[in-house]
Amino acid sequence: EAGVTQFPSHSVIEKGQTVTLRCDPISGHDNLYWYRRVMGKEIKFLLHFVKESKQDESGMPNNRFLAERTGGTYSTLKVQPAELEDSGVYFCASSQLGANTGELFFGEGSRLTVL
Amino acid sequence: AQSVAQPEDQVNVAEGNPLTVKCTYSVSGNPYLFWYVQYPNRGLQFLLKYITGDNLVKGSYGFEAEFNKSQTSFHLKKPSALVSDSALYFCAVRDRSGGATNKLIFGTGTLLAVQP
Repeated sequence: EAGVTQFPSHSVIEKGQTVTLRCDPISGHDNLYWYRRVMGKEIKFLLHFVKESKQDESGMPNNRFLAERTGGTYSTLKVQPAELEDSGVYFCASSQLGANTGELFFGEGSRLTVL
Repeated sequence: AQSVAQPEDQVNVAEGNPLTVKCTYSVSGNPYLFWYVQYPNRGLQFLLKYITGDNLVKGSYGFEAEFNKSQTSFHLKKPSALVSDSALYFCAVRDRSGGATNKLIFGTGTLLAVQP
């Protein structure tokens, strides 16, 4: 069974440009999460989807970030326009609905570098 | 506010020696605690979790963690370290402050370096 996959693995863009990150969760996982780790800091929660609905987007830094999950399958996270402080590793995770005590399954992350 | 602290940025240990990676937490109610590991160029992998029951939890790759409620700690341990254990370790607590989001709150991570 395929795990959580993320694309691209690394993206280098200039300040002001747009980047779109994609996450394909494990098949059948209705919960999908986005997290971000800025260099040396903790892994911070960004938002949570249940199927195609945003359950919690309290961690989204500002309105330059837009996450979607059309059809409840894969998700995209767009940053527009990107700023220097957006650099970091963006992780996607998924889990089954109702797995309140279960672990999250993480992808390998998308490293974003904004110059 | 719920939080996780990993006081050590890096832990160095010789191969064959026991290792401990420290984690303390601050939560309301009973905590759900997790350890994840990130090997170089890989994603986060689940190691173990504490939900309820026995305070000593055993996980993957010979790791275990001890839940200590009075000290609000959940230290990760292994009796005999391997060079292949060298990686970044994250402690996390499930946020139960509201809703059904089931999100995890992570610490800053501890880099474990095992010398041959």
